[in-house]
Amino acid sequence: AQSVTQPDARVTVSEGASLQLRCKYSSSGTPYLFWYVQYPRQGLQLLLKYYSGDPVVQGVNGFEAEFSKSNSSFHLRKASVHWSDSAVYFCVLSAWVSNYNVLYFGSGTKLTVEP
Amino acid sequence: GGIITQTPKFLIGQEGQKLTLKCQQNFNHDTMYWYRQDSGKGLRLIYYSITENDLQKGDLSEGYDASREKKSSFSLTVTSAQKNEMAVFLCASSIAGGQDTQYFGPGTRLLVL
Repeated sequence: AQSVTQPDARVTVSEGASLQLRCKYSSSGTPYLFWYVQYPRQGLQLLLKYYSGDPVVQGVNGFEAEFSKSNSSFHLRKASVHWSDSAVYFCVLSAWVSNYNVLYFGSGTKLTVEP
Repeated sequence: GGIITQTPKFLIGQEGQKLTLKCQQNFNHDTMYWYRQDSGKGLRLIYYSITENDLQKGDLSEGYDASREKKSSFSLTVTSAQKNEMAVFLCASSIAGGQDTQYFGPGTRLLVL
């Protein structure tokens, strides 16, 4: 079975602080993983994706994520957050269902960056 | 670049009413998707379509119909709106399927009185 768990519904950090948003996945096959961000009143935007190779992938706006097969995790990180990073972040697993590909979303983590 | 347009932005309906949401994309993508987003939850797939006139059911298809009459458009119908229902419906598209990146529209916010 495929599933994604984001254990932290809300995270608050101070501007300039480092950030880690946690994601655990369950996949019966090779996991393809994404992080999407949703700003208020907007659609989802892709931050980064992992298919294979180097377990640390770089994304837009200074975000990166590290894939760990042993821990079934795909945590998102940023060295120094900005107030504009306040948004909801979704960890997403891509899996094959009936010969076609489907995305499984975590429940999201709402990030608030305080001045 | 391209864009996904969803209409209407806000939709208020009555219990039992049939409601239609529309999605247009100018990416020339083959595959389109409809997701439902409830407050505090991730997205759940309602329907997807891999090409014109194709329809595939997702996990949440009961209570919905979909239509893909043109490559660029994908409509979703709530067959009988449920009282006090409140959700955001997001449309997405991708070049094909597989692990291709999905691009999302801004959403239609539904409220049923």
